[in-house]
Amino acid sequence: NAGVTQTPKFQVLKTGQSMTLQCAQDMNHEYMSWYRQDPGMGLRLIHYSVGAGITDQGEVPNGYNVSRSTTEDFPLRLLSAAPSQTSVYFCASSYLGGAGAFFGQGTRLTVV
Amino acid sequence: QKEVEQDPGPLSVPEGAIVSLNCTYSNSAFQYFMWYRQYSRKGPELLMYTYSSGNKEDGRFTAQVDKSSKYISLFIRDSQPSDSATYLCAMSAKNTNAGKSTFGDGTTLTVKP
Repeated sequence: NAGVTQTPKFQVLKTGQSMTLQCAQDMNHEYMSWYRQDPGMGLRLIHYSVGAGITDQGEVPNGYNVSRSTTEDFPLRLLSAAPSQTSVYFCASSYLGGAGAFFGQGTRLTVV
Repeated sequence: QKEVEQDPGPLSVPEGAIVSLNCTYSNSAFQYFMWYRQYSRKGPELLMYTYSSGNKEDGRFTAQVDKSSKYISLFIRDSQPSDSATYLCAMSAKNTNAGKSTFGDGTTLTVKP
């Protein structure tokens, strides 16, 4: 049972480039979300989804897009990378109304 | 003002000590209270979950919630070097989802042998 899998683990982008961070879960969880974590700060919610075809914005959505075509996958797209998007990104999943979320191992992104 | 404030630390204790980690919050709608442990360069891992007020114990860990004071705590008894990590409190309102939680900034704990 792999849980929540994120790829890639590390990425360096140039300003203006685009890329997609992948997230997949094999627990049949309805709810998936993306967070970013910056030094000395907690996790800030970027986007979330309560099921296939349904997404919504979190606290810091600007510069990011998401889609949810299947229960298992929830990719995060950076349209035009900026240095301010240098961060560690975590994907999480949980049952709807569930207690506690399962997190992936993170993607460390550097934008130069 | 942040909805969730967490004692910033860092915290350094000798092995065997009792550790107290604390968070306060301002949103009275919060009903679910969670503690996550995050090892360096890893994802957060759910440690404890409590619904509404009260205590919950799991081995060496005890989570306490005092909704009247809007204060939650995590106690670690007989702390071990393997407990060295960053601890994040998280909270969510009823009818929302655990994945849509509001997190504290984390407290980094070091347990010295």
